[in-house]
Amino acid sequence: DAKTTQPPSMDCAEGRAANLPCNHSTISGNEYVYWYRQIHSQGPQYIIHGLKNNETNEMASLIITEDRKSSTLILPHATLRDTAVYYCIVRVMEYGNKLVFGAGTILRVKS
Amino acid sequence: EAGVTQFPSHSVIEKGQTVTLRCDPISGHDNLYWYRRVMGKEIKFLLHFVKESKQDESGMPNNRFLAERTGGTYSTLKVQPAELEDSGVYFCASSPYNRENEQFFGPGTRLTVL
Repeated sequence: DAKTTQPPSMDCAEGRAANLPCNHSTISGNEYVYWYRQIHSQGPQYIIHGLKNNETNEMASLIITEDRKSSTLILPHATLRDTAVYYCIVRVMEYGNKLVFGAGTILRVKS
Repeated sequence: EAGVTQFPSHSVIEKGQTVTLRCDPISGHDNLYWYRRVMGKEIKFLLHFVKESKQDESGMPNNRFLAERTGGTYSTLKVQPAELEDSGVYFCASSPYNRENEQFFGPGTRLTVL
């Protein structure tokens, strides 16, 4: 699985959009971009994933550049409960493929 | 629908003792994973079950760790004998067969070895 690079931490004002970047310059054609987050004292939680098209669900939007070498997770209206460590993971979507976590980005949402 | 549950939530043991962690996956999920985060490190994969069979145990650190999933339902992870470096948070995750969009994680078991 390709490696990812994320900033170690970011701050965001409550109610504003949080834009979390991720670089994955060595991504292969069959690798997807996944985002998970871990809120303090909880297990990791799936947020969204995509291959090359932008994706949106009830939690977030995922913007993948045309060359697929980077992506941005967007939380449109961050709340205090979105304070967490966010992980960008690149992996092949195949049966039983494990998740490889990096250090992630600590997002602090402030009032 | 109940999520992934893990027991105990916390365990404090002395070096050399044995501890058994339990994970109950979401009902019907054939895939079951164990991960752990030791102090200051990233979350690391330990192993993967498909029903009762070990599919991938490449992340198991050594033979002091034994995972089982008898009957393909709940799983246990035994550490015997425990060492100081085993301290950390152990997570279990599950997903349905052949649908790998997401893995559902439990809250974890915090293990402290003194």
